[in-house]
Amino acid sequence: AQSVTQLDSQVPVFEEAPVELRCNYSSSVSVYLFWYVQYPNQGLQLLLKYLSGSTLVKGINGFEAEFNKSQTSFHLRKPSVHISDTAEYFCAVSEGGSARQLTFGSGTQLTVLP
Amino acid sequence: DVKVTQSSRYLVKRTGEKVFLECVQDMDHENMFWYRQDPGLGLRLIYFSYDVKMKEKGDIPEGYSVSREKKERFSLILESASTNQTSMYLCASSGERTGSALFYGYTFGSGTRLTVV
Repeated sequence: AQSVTQLDSQVPVFEEAPVELRCNYSSSVSVYLFWYVQYPNQGLQLLLKYLSGSTLVKGINGFEAEFNKSQTSFHLRKPSVHISDTAEYFCAVSEGGSARQLTFGSGTQLTVLP
Repeated sequence: DVKVTQSSRYLVKRTGEKVFLECVQDMDHENMFWYRQDPGLGLRLIYFSYDVKMKEKGDIPEGYSVSREKKERFSLILESASTNQTSMYLCASSGERTGSALFYGYTFGSGTRLTVV
């Protein structure tokens, strides 16, 4: 069965600094990978996704992620964060490309400090 | 703009009440899901449905039931609300045959924050 591990539950970072949010997954088959963002008291919205092709994926708000099959990782990065990036970030995996179920990580709270 | 709409953003109910949480999607998606979200526990799947009148238990179905009489609507029912069901509830949907879900993943509603007193 697939699982997703987000190694850091909380990441504080100063404004304009770079950030990396880590995500590792376990699966024996091909996967599709997603990052979602959740702002306070809102639902989740899609930040970016990896389906196939280039392993470097660019998303909204200047975020990007790199799929590393050998390390089974899909880390999220941004070179310079803003206060408005403060939110919770969830990594998710769909095994075998199925639309039917995503498995979510436990989330990483990113707090951007002035 | 595609949407998943949850009927209430905030809800306060008394212990023992029967509670209905409604979710409607306008994307003709086959799959619909109910999650609850609690601090430190992430998203936990309660129930899901792959078709009208079909339902399957997720990881934490106890104390909940669901109804899907129409494709666009998926209701979560708390048969007798208890204080440990105080939580944020999230509805999501995804498509199957068109492949749109492979492109977008899930589409989430804005969530319902339920407080049981």
